[in-house]
Amino acid sequence: AQKVTQAQTEISVVEKEDVTLDCVYETRDTTYYLFWYKQPPSGELVFLIRRNSFDEQNEISGRYSWNFQKSTSSFNFTITASQVVDSAVYFCALSEVSRGQNFVFGPGTRLSVLP
Amino acid sequence: GAVVSQHPSWVICKSGTSVKIECRSLDFQATTMFWYRQFPKQSLMLMATSNEGSKATYEQGVEKDKFLINHASLTLSTLTVTSAHPEDSSFYICSARMDLRSGNTIYFGEGSWLTVV
Repeated sequence: AQKVTQAQTEISVVEKEDVTLDCVYETRDTTYYLFWYKQPPSGELVFLIRRNSFDEQNEISGRYSWNFQKSTSSFNFTITASQVVDSAVYFCALSEVSRGQNFVFGPGTRLSVLP
Repeated sequence: GAVVSQHPSWVICKSGTSVKIECRSLDFQATTMFWYRQFPKQSLMLMATSNEGSKATYEQGVEKDKFLINHASLTLSTLTVTSAHPEDSSFYICSARMDLRSGNTIYFGEGSWLTVV
C-alpha cells in the first residue's frame, strides 16, 4: 500500500483561482515529518514546508496554506489566487524517524495554472 | 543556509560506460545521505541510504553492483552508474541529513539528469 497518496494526478486552473492539493499518508510511527515540495521543469526540489507530527497547527505563508489533520492522516496544501508561476509538480512526502528519515514521496500532482 | 550540491547537473554517456555523480554538503557535515531516482513523469524513489564510513543500504530491487555508492567523507557521497544502459536514463537526486545537534534537517541537491545513448 502506498504510504503517501496524492489523489489528483493533474489539476488545471485559471489564474487567480484557489486550488487545493490533497495528501493522505500512512504511518505507524508516532514521530514523523510531512513535507511539501515544488518541482519545476528544471527538476530541483523547492522546499515549501515541513511539519512534525506533534504540531497540528495550520500554517499560512503568503498565498500558501497547509491543513494538517492527524485524525484523517491528511496534509492538504492550498494555493490562493494562483499564478502562472505556480505551475509545477507538487510532491507531498513523509519522513519517518524509525526509518532513518528517508523520504517517501507521493506520486505528485501536476498543477497547470492557465493565464 | 545549508546547501547540497550535485555534480554534474546533467550528463550524457554512451551505453556500457560508467558515470559518477557527486553529492556534496557544502557547509555542514552529513553522516547520512540518500539517493533517489526519478523516471519521467514519475515520483522520486529511494535507491539507497549512504552512511559515512560504512556500506550503503540499498532498497529492494536496486542492484548494488550496478549503482555503486561511496560515502568516503562527511561532506561527499558519490553514485556511480556502472555499465550504463538507456533504461538507466533518469533524474538522480541526493539529499543530505544534517546531524542531530544541528537540527537533523534534510537538504536536497539540485539533481542530475543522466541520459544514456
